[in-house]
Parts: sequence; structure tokens; C-alpha cells
Amino acid sequence: GQQLNQSPQSMFIQEGEDVSMNCTSSSIFNTWLWYKQEPGEGPVLLIALYKAGELTSNGRLTAQFGITRKDSFLNISASIPSDVGIYFCAGLWGGGADGLTFGKGTHLIIQP
Amino acid sequence: ETGVTQTPRHLVMGMTNKKSLKCEQHLGHNAMYWYKQSAKKPLELMFVYSLEERVENNSVPSRFSPECPNSSHLFLHLHTLQPEDSALYLCASSRQSKNPVIQYFGAGTRLSVL
Repeated sequence: GQQLNQSPQSMFIQEGEDVSMNCTSSSIFNTWLWYKQEPGEGPVLLIALYKAGELTSNGRLTAQFGITRKDSFLNISASIPSDVGIYFCAGLWGGGADGLTFGKGTHLIIQP
Repeated sequence: ETGVTQTPRHLVMGMTNKKSLKCEQHLGHNAMYWYKQSAKKPLELMFVYSLEERVENNSVPSRFSPECPNSSHLFLHLHTLQPEDSALYLCASSRQSKNPVIQYFGAGTRLSVL
């Protein structure tokens, strides 16, 4: 089946630093999604990408849909304490009611 | 609040028990999903219901039995589970359409099997 390789697995950064994480796949996707999950909660959608090459921002977050349709990255600028959590990439091949394929997540820890 | 509510939030059960997880969505969606989230593993899709019909079953053991009585409600019936079934079970919903769909998740049920 399809697999997503997400890296890094964890990041320890100082408040105010920029963050970059990415996902790669051996197969193509039509949609890339980035979610954030905090302890005790389900994943919350941050950004959705629908076209190869698309670059989309949501506040301090920026994500891009790779031109090959096999990768995506997420950047967070000027990190703040509330950015702590686990960030997941997810790929969707079809439309309709297809299930998402998830990466293992990037655990972001911000040191004061 | 994402519009997807799961109950209970926590559940502890023995291997011989029978229990059910409930999911309700208030978003007017017509597709619902069950995912399993285990430590250090990606979220795994278990079941998909579209327009109240099951469209995907990802080789899930029969001790997990889903039910979708209408487009707003989804259940996961559990019986004779194993300790390795302990995980966070997440429900999601979406609007089925030709365009790429976005799935919205509930907060999950943390299940512990003793």
C-alpha cells in the first residue's frame, strides 16, 4: 500500500525559530493535507493543497504541494509555545470517500 | 470543537467485554471513517462509510464491527478484544464530492484493553 515518509520525527527548537518538515511518497497523490494534533485531541486541519506546485499560507504556516506530486513540506515561521504538538502530513489519491494515508508525524517541542 | 463528537473519551475493558464507541457529526457530511492511532505508527484507516454504505474495510479483524445507521452517526462495536487493540480510535467525517475532500476528526476514544 501507499506509505508516507515524514521527517524529522521530532524537533527541539527555541521559541522564535523557524521550523521545516516534509513528507515524501513513493506514489503520487492528488491532495496533500497537513494536520496538527495536541494531547488528548484529534488531528485538526491546518492546510489543504490541491494542485502540484501550489504554495499556500495560513498565518505563520506555509505549505507546498511538490511538483512531482510525491512530496510536500510545511514551514512554521517564528515559532511560539502554542505551536507545540504533533504535525501530520496526509495524502489523498482519489476524491469521494477515500481514506487518507498518513505520515508518522513530526513531534515539535519548543524550549523556552 | 470540530463538529465531530466521540463518546466515550476513555474506555477500559476486559478481553471478554462487549462495548461500543459512538461518533456523531454535526457538519452535514455524508461520509464517515474510523481510524486507529497506535503509538509510533501512522494513523490506520479501518472503515469507510459513504452514504451509509460501507465502502472500505481495511482487513480489520472481525472483533471490530462498524455500524452506520444514518449519515450523522457511526458506531464501532467491540468484542473479545486483545491487549494490542489498545489505542486511540478516531472518527472523521467528510462531504463526498468530486472535488478533493477534507476529513474532520473527533477527539477520539482512548481504549485500554486489559
